Amino acid sequence: DIQMTQSPSTLSASVGDRVTIPCRASQSISSWLAWYQQKPGKAPKLLIYKASSLESGVPSRFSGSGSGTEFTLTISSLQPDDFATYYCQQYNGYPYTFGQGTKLEIK
Amino acid sequence: QVQLVQSGAEVKKPGASVKVSCKASGYTFTSYHMHWVRQAPGQGLEWMGVINPSGGSTTYTQKFQGRVTMTRDTSTSTVYMELSSLRDEDTAVYYCARKRGTTPIDYWGQGTLVTVSS
Repeated sequence: DIQMTQSPSTLSASVGDRVTIPCRASQSISSWLAWYQQKPGKAPKLLIYKASSLESGVPSRFSGSGSGTEFTLTISSLQPDDFATYYCQQYNGYPYTFGQGTKLEIK
Repeated sequence: QVQLVQSGAEVKKPGASVKVSCKASGYTFTSYHMHWVRQAPGQGLEWMGVINPSGGSTTYTQKFQGRVTMTRDTSTSTVYMELSSLRDEDTAVYYCARKRGTTPIDYWGQGTLVTVSS
């Protein structure tokens, strides 16, 4: 199985900060990577797919980059609504796997 | 609009089975595979498996092989996930979520809390 690693598990930042959240795959997944945002008690929401494509309706302050095994989610200027948990997920092949999540907290 | 509406919360005893439903609307049911993902309290997301509503074929992650069964009813655009031999650690929110081809999982159900407790 492909292991997805997200570190750190918690990130503290302030409104207006530029934030990067890394994700690493245990083997190459080409660009078959998605990023999801999840808030407490809610289902995950798709932000980025195919590593760098922005889902329709998602603010342009979110961007994704990377290929192969190293990926990054960037939020260019944090807004209050962005404090949530972020998960990467590979969909290169079954079983699909998620990173452990990075919780973005207010500093 | 696309909707995935799941059945309500369940409380089960260890050793029992639970069957969660997910009713799809707003799109062609057989054009999208349906995935099941669970999330234990305070934990991350765990992919369980997938069903192709068109032919009914399934793929399960090894961890749940032998305990999980995914089925569908095309007449009602509903998929089901049944988990047997429940243990305390199966307490989680279970989500259905759709995906097609090379696109990612895009829409999710609202989640169903399954509590396993004696």
